[in-house]
Amino acid sequence: SAVISQKPSRDICQRGTSLTIQCQVDSQVTMMFWYRQQPGQSLTLIATANQGSEATYESGFVIDKFPISRPNLTFSTLTVSNMSPEDSSIYLCSVEEGPEAFFGQGTRLTVV
Amino acid sequence: GIQVEQSPPDLILQEGANSTLRCNFSDSVNNLQWFHQNPWGQLINLFYIPSGTKQNGRLSATTVATERYSLLYISSSQTTDSGVYFCAVEGVASYDKVIFGPGTSLSVIP
Repeated sequence: SAVISQKPSRDICQRGTSLTIQCQVDSQVTMMFWYRQQPGQSLTLIATANQGSEATYESGFVIDKFPISRPNLTFSTLTVSNMSPEDSSIYLCSVEEGPEAFFGQGTRLTVV
Repeated sequence: GIQVEQSPPDLILQEGANSTLRCNFSDSVNNLQWFHQNPWGQLINLFYIPSGTKQNGRLSATTVATERYSLLYISSSQTTDSGVYFCAVEGVASYDKVIFGPGTSLSVIP
């Protein structure tokens, strides 16, 4: 299965600042997915990132708040912009190998 | 979109006990996976099981696609089994995305 490395693993940030989360995969993949998991909740898809095109955002998520880059087939970044305490969550990147989804270890973000 | 329900929402087990977790989904699916999220937040793949039965050690899973449910069995539970178990499905349409259920939070006590 794909090995997915995310960093940072955790961070504490001041409100109003931005954090960029990196996701590196050990194989080339067409699509990479970013999820948010709010405290005590399930996972919600933020966006799908294809290499060479703009990310596709799910309802309730916008590019200005969560800009995504996908410069090549093994790497993507998610930025959480102008953070507020409501952005405190675990953010996870994911790839698919065939029909199965695999996840990075997640970034636990706390906004104070 | 597809609705996914999981039961029970919370479960406390004595070490060594067995348990069954259930996932119901509202429409036909192409894919179904079970995940374990450990206390550090990492999602671990347990089973890819759109239909049929699979076993891996103390864990097994069964999906009855025609009746739109899946079961995850945990036998001889250990404290390391604690965490949240998620069922995730993907519908049959090409534009369908992976939808996660709300999860079952399991605590195994010594």
